[in-house]
Amino acid sequence: ETGVTQTPRHLVMGMTNKKSLKCEQHLGHNAMYWYKQSAKKPLELMFVYNFKEQTENNSVPSRFSPECPNSSHLFLHLHTLQPEDSALYLCASSSQRGPMETQYFGPGTRLLVL
Amino acid sequence: EDQVTQSPEALRLQEGESSSLNCSYTVSGLRGLFWYRQDPGKGPEFLFTLYSAGEEKEKERLKATLTKKESFLHITAPKPEDSATYLCAVQAGGGGNKLTFGTGTQLKVEL
Repeated sequence: ETGVTQTPRHLVMGMTNKKSLKCEQHLGHNAMYWYKQSAKKPLELMFVYNFKEQTENNSVPSRFSPECPNSSHLFLHLHTLQPEDSALYLCASSSQRGPMETQYFGPGTRLLVL
Repeated sequence: EDQVTQSPEALRLQEGESSSLNCSYTVSGLRGLFWYRQDPGKGPEFLFTLYSAGEEKEKERLKATLTKKESFLHITAPKPEDSATYLCAVQAGGGGNKLTFGTGTQLKVEL
C-alpha cells in the first residue's frame, strides 16, 4: 500500500448505529487530519493530530470522536449521527519537518446517514 | 478570518481551448497557497504549492501563478482527461497546520 488509504470507501448507517472510519498513511508523516466535504461547500477541517496529540478540534459535535493510536493510523468513531452528517470524509497526512507542510489526501469514505 | 474564493464555479472548454481558473484570497500572512485536483468520488490530488508573489510552477498543461491577492491556474490546450474539480487552499502564518479551502472550479473539457 502506498500513500493514504481509507476504509471503508462507502458506509450507510442509521442514526442509532455506531461505526468507525479508518485511515492509514504510508508516507512516514507525523500529522494527520480529518476533513468533511459536503456538496457545494469547501472542505471543512475537523481534527488535527500532530505526533499522536490532538492539536485542533474545529468545533466538531461530540458525536464524532477521533482516535490516533500512532502517527500512521487515524480513526473517526461515529455514533448517533444525523442525516446532515452525510458527506465525504477525507483523511490527510503531512510531514511537520519542513517549513511548508503539503497535505496528502486519501480517497475518502462516502457516508450516508439514514 | 482567512477566505478563499474561486471562480468560475464551473467551466466548460473544448479540447485545445486554453483558459484560466482564479483563486482570490485574504489571509493574515500567507505561508503557502496550494492547488489540488479532485476527480469525482476521490480525494484531492496535490498539484502545486506556491510560497510568494511572483512564483510560478508548471506541470504538463498546467501552470500556477501567484500574486499578493490571487492565484491563477492556467490550462494550456486542455484534454478531456483534465476534466476535474480544481481546489485552491491557503495556509496562514501562525495558523498551524490549517488549510482554508475554496469551493473549487468544476472543469469539463469536451472533444
